[in-house]
Amino acid sequence: AQSVTQLDSHVSVSEGTPVLLRCNYSSSYSPSLFWYVQHPNKGLQLLLKYTSAATLVKGINGFEAEFKKSETSFHLTKPSAHMSDAAEYFCVVSDTQAGTALIFGKGTTLSVSS
Amino acid sequence: NAGVMQNPRHLVRRRGQEARLRCSPMKGHSHVYWYRQLPEEGLKFMVYLQKENIIDESGMPKERFSAEFPKEGPSILRIQQVVRGDSAAYFCASSPSLAGGQETQYFGPGTRLLVL
Repeated sequence: AQSVTQLDSHVSVSEGTPVLLRCNYSSSYSPSLFWYVQHPNKGLQLLLKYTSAATLVKGINGFEAEFKKSETSFHLTKPSAHMSDAAEYFCVVSDTQAGTALIFGKGTTLSVSS
Repeated sequence: NAGVMQNPRHLVRRRGQEARLRCSPMKGHSHVYWYRQLPEEGLKFMVYLQKENIIDESGMPKERFSAEFPKEGPSILRIQQVVRGDSAAYFCASSPSLAGGQETQYFGPGTRLLVL
């Protein structure tokens, strides 16, 4: 069975400093992995996705994530945080064999201070 | 191309009433998914539908909850005899074909249900 663990429930950074949101996954097959962002009282927006192509995936708003099979990780990074990055971030796995449902991590709240 | 539409955005019900949540998928999308987000939690899968068919309802509570996606019109998530524990944000997502991890699911803004 597939699962996702987001290692930090809350991350605080200063504006202009790097962001690292950690995610480990468990999957029986070749997974597809996603990061979604949710701003307060809003829907979810796809940041980026990995589907067995390049292991370094670039997304929107300067975010990127690296798929590391040996470490079963898919950490999200950004070189320089912006105030508008403050939001809830979800790491998500989809089992390509089973197909349908997305499995969400519990989320990481990113706070950005000036 | 409009995104996934959900209405109402906010819904207040008293215990015992019925709640109907509607979802219109993106144009050209024939697959709809419903997820529930409880406070301080990630989203949990409830049900996956194609037009006129329920494909996977493994995440649906066994009682009071039902979903449909008719040939014409939006997908409906129906909760009968609501209880306070049903208070949550309900998100709909759509994809153009079987997700299988390859097709991205696009999410609507959600319906926030409050049961008094």
